[in-house]
Amino acid sequence: GAVVSQHPSRVICKSGTSVKIECRSLDFQATTMFWYRQFPKQSLMLMATSNEGSKATYEQGVEKDKFLINHASLTLSTLTVTSAHPEDSSFYICSASPGTDNQPQHFGDGTRLSIL
Amino acid sequence: SQELEQSPQSLIVQEGKNLTINCTSSKTLYGLYWYKQKYGEGLIFLMMLQKGGEEKSHEKITAKLDEKKQQSSLHITASQPSHAGIYLCGAELRAAGNKLTFGGGTRVLVKP
Repeated sequence: GAVVSQHPSRVICKSGTSVKIECRSLDFQATTMFWYRQFPKQSLMLMATSNEGSKATYEQGVEKDKFLINHASLTLSTLTVTSAHPEDSSFYICSASPGTDNQPQHFGDGTRLSIL
Repeated sequence: SQELEQSPQSLIVQEGKNLTINCTSSKTLYGLYWYKQKYGEGLIFLMMLQKGGEEKSHEKITAKLDEKKQQSSLHITASQPSHAGIYLCGAELRAAGNKLTFGGGTRVLVKP
């Protein structure tokens, strides 16, 4: 089945650091990938839609300068949390779909980000 | 998400008992996806429903989408400890594109 790899699985860093998270589709090409954020005991909130070769589409309330998204190839999207602060601590998870009809989104294993 | 209501929020069932989770929207569900998540991990795809009245089953899990395409249910028969986790429904609320809106999730605990 379709596999999405997300790396790293866990990051702990100091306030002010920028953190990059990678999302790779391992056995299919994904023109579109999605980035979500999940707070403890809550559901997934879509942050942005990552489009290969073009700018990401951000959801309302998500700072595009804070959460930089790059989708440079059909198998890789990256999310960079710039100048991270403790309030950015969260579980970030990506998904990708082969893009053809009747194909679900497949999710990475998530990245737990802890900013000290 | 208020666009997609999921109930109950949590559920404790005795092993061997059945359970049902509901997902409801005031909007048309162009696609409805059920996922399972263990705490701190990614989502595992369970089932996808697109047609009104559609029903799919896999092992002991059955998912249905009503005729009006505004409500879906996930039913687990004879639950086992392996069924424990967080169940999430995700829906495409627009005809174009596959952006998903998720329900609040249902935490399931199966007591041995």
